[in-house]
Amino acid sequence: DIQMTQSPSTLSASVGDRVTITCRASQSISSWLAWYQQKPGKAPKLLIYKASSLESGVPSRFSGSGSGTEFTLTISSLQPDDFATYYCQQYNSYSPELTFGGGTKVEIK
Amino acid sequence: EVQLVESGGGLVQPGGSLRLSCAASGFTFSSYDMHWVRQATGKGLEWVSAIGTAGDPYYPGSVKGRFTISRENAKNSLYLQMNSLRAGDTAVYYCARGYGGIPGYFDYWGQGTLVTVSS
Repeated sequence: DIQMTQSPSTLSASVGDRVTITCRASQSISSWLAWYQQKPGKAPKLLIYKASSLESGVPSRFSGSGSGTEFTLTISSLQPDDFATYYCQQYNSYSPELTFGGGTKVEIK
Repeated sequence: EVQLVESGGGLVQPGGSLRLSCAASGFTFSSYDMHWVRQATGKGLEWVSAIGTAGDPYYPGSVKGRFTISRENAKNSLYLQMNSLRAGDTAVYYCARGYGGIPGYFDYWGQGTLVTVSS
């Protein structure tokens, strides 16, 4: 199984900050990575797919980068609506099984 | 508008069974892979099963042999039959639409249904 490790697990930041979340895969997954945002009591929402493609309707302050085993999600200027938990998810086509990272909670500083 | 609405959750004893349903609307259901993903309270997301457009099922080792995913395209419905339930299966179960093939990623999610396994 491919393991996904996110860091940090918790991040404290202020409105307007630039925020970066890292996701590392235990083996190469090319660019088969998605990012989701989840707010308490709600379903996850797709932000990024194929490592760097922005889902329709997602604000441009969100961006993704990376390939192989290391990936990042960046929020260029944190907004009040962005305080949430973020998950990465690998979908390497060599295996039907997919896995999520453990999540990064972005809190108000 | 794409909508996914789960139902069938509830309280069940260890060793018991439960069948979840997901009603889909707003898209051509038969053309998409579908998934179940669960989340225990305060924990992360865990993929539970997938079914391809041809009805081919996929499971992780944690539920293989206990859970069965199925779909009924004529009713735009997805199902998850869960047997031999354990306390560790307690979670909110989400139905999600897959994109990009199997395994793929999830572009739409339902609101979830809570399954509690307890005596």
